[in-house]
Amino acid sequence: AQSVTQPDIHITVSEGASLELRCNYSYGATPYLFWYVQSPGQGLQLLLKYFSGDTLVQGIKGFEAEFKRSQSSFNLRKPSVHWSDAAEYFCAVGKQGNQFYFGTGTSLTVIP
Amino acid sequence: EAGVAQSPRYKIIEKRQSVAFWCNPISGHATLYWYQQILGQGPKLLIQFQNNGVVDDSQLPKDRFSAERLKGVDSTLKIQPAKLEDSAVYLCATGEGRSRWGEKLFFGSGTQLSVL
Repeated sequence: AQSVTQPDIHITVSEGASLELRCNYSYGATPYLFWYVQSPGQGLQLLLKYFSGDTLVQGIKGFEAEFKRSQSSFNLRKPSVHWSDAAEYFCAVGKQGNQFYFGTGTSLTVIP
Repeated sequence: EAGVAQSPRYKIIEKRQSVAFWCNPISGHATLYWYQQILGQGPKLLIQFQNNGVVDDSQLPKDRFSAERLKGVDSTLKIQPAKLEDSAVYLCATGEGRSRWGEKLFFGSGTQLSVL
């Protein structure tokens, strides 16, 4: 069965500091992996996705994620966090038929 | 480009009442999804449409939930009768429908339902 685990419910970082949000997945085949961001009162917005090829993928807003098959992980990173990055972040795995399974999310707080 | 529109934005009802949510997709998007997002959890798929046909409704509680997508455009999701555990944000998402693998989803802002 496919599943997504985001171990960190809440993370607080200082503005300008680096960020890493963890995501582990369980899926029998080659996964399609995604990171979405949800700002308060808004719908989810796609940050980046991994299908195949280069295991380091670049996304919007300066985010990147690295796929590590050996660790079943797809961690999201940003070298320098801005106050506007405060939001909820969801990792998701996709399977054939456009079925998506979302993690429980990580809430990011950015302090000045 | 206009995004995915959902209404109402908020809804408060008492248990055993009925409620309906409406979604207008991005023009031309073939796939439409309804997700339920309970507080503190990630979105969970309720139903997936491809044009006006149902692709997957395996997680839709069919004894109380129903959904339709008339003419492959707008969609409504109905709950009748509502239970306390239905309190959640109901998200509509759409996609171009050109790929069967990992298409980009465009989400609406959701309808926040509170069942008292």
